[in-house]
Amino acid sequence: RKEVEQDPGPFNVPEGATVAFNCTYSNSASQSFFWYRQDCRKEPKLLMSVYSSGNEDGRFTAQLNRASQYISLLIRDSKLSDSATYLCVVNQAGTALIFGKGTTLSVSS
Amino acid sequence: DAGVIQSPRHEVTEMGQEVTLRCKPISGHNSLFWYRQTMMRGLELLIYFNNNVPIDDSGMPEDRFSAKMPNASFSTLKIQPSEPRDSAVYFCASSPQSQGTQPQHFGDGTRLSIL
Repeated sequence: RKEVEQDPGPFNVPEGATVAFNCTYSNSASQSFFWYRQDCRKEPKLLMSVYSSGNEDGRFTAQLNRASQYISLLIRDSKLSDSATYLCVVNQAGTALIFGKGTTLSVSS
Repeated sequence: DAGVIQSPRHEVTEMGQEVTLRCKPISGHNSLFWYRQTMMRGLELLIYFNNNVPIDDSGMPEDRFSAKMPNASFSTLKIQPSEPRDSAVYFCASSPQSQGTQPQHFGDGTRLSIL
């Protein structure tokens, strides 16, 4: 089983749509969780951290379910500029971050 | 503030040649990471350093790959001899610490093509 699994997509949605990405991780000892965004031919950039109680940043909401080892990212009112690959990232204490392969989102007008 | 700086941005070379990739982490960051990204395998951690000391090199694919960090502001990833299957984007990232509670900051990457 892969350590971090994501649906690769692509997710093709119209502007204004709400879209959700899911991610599962295999190591129950994982302690920190992030969503990164990667634009085509660019480097990954931190989108947001994921906290146990769930957290929101504008149109973006992240949720964590430790019992199910599941992380989600919800994007409301999608914009064209949201088109990118979204990487789910987890870690255990004392180790480096482990990246999922990413979910590709394409928002069209 | 300067981010993570990588060079070269692009490298095209023939198989068998030595390739050296360079990275300057963000000043004050104690941890440095080398990744390789391909369509098939995604983003793979090759090696990471904490306070200039290699901590985990289990991701280094073969003995042809080596990495050094002679000081806090410079690291190299070397491939010798290079092979076509080494073609990928190589990213360097740095973080204030390696415990993973702090996010990593990535450089622009080096696009490597081995012919």
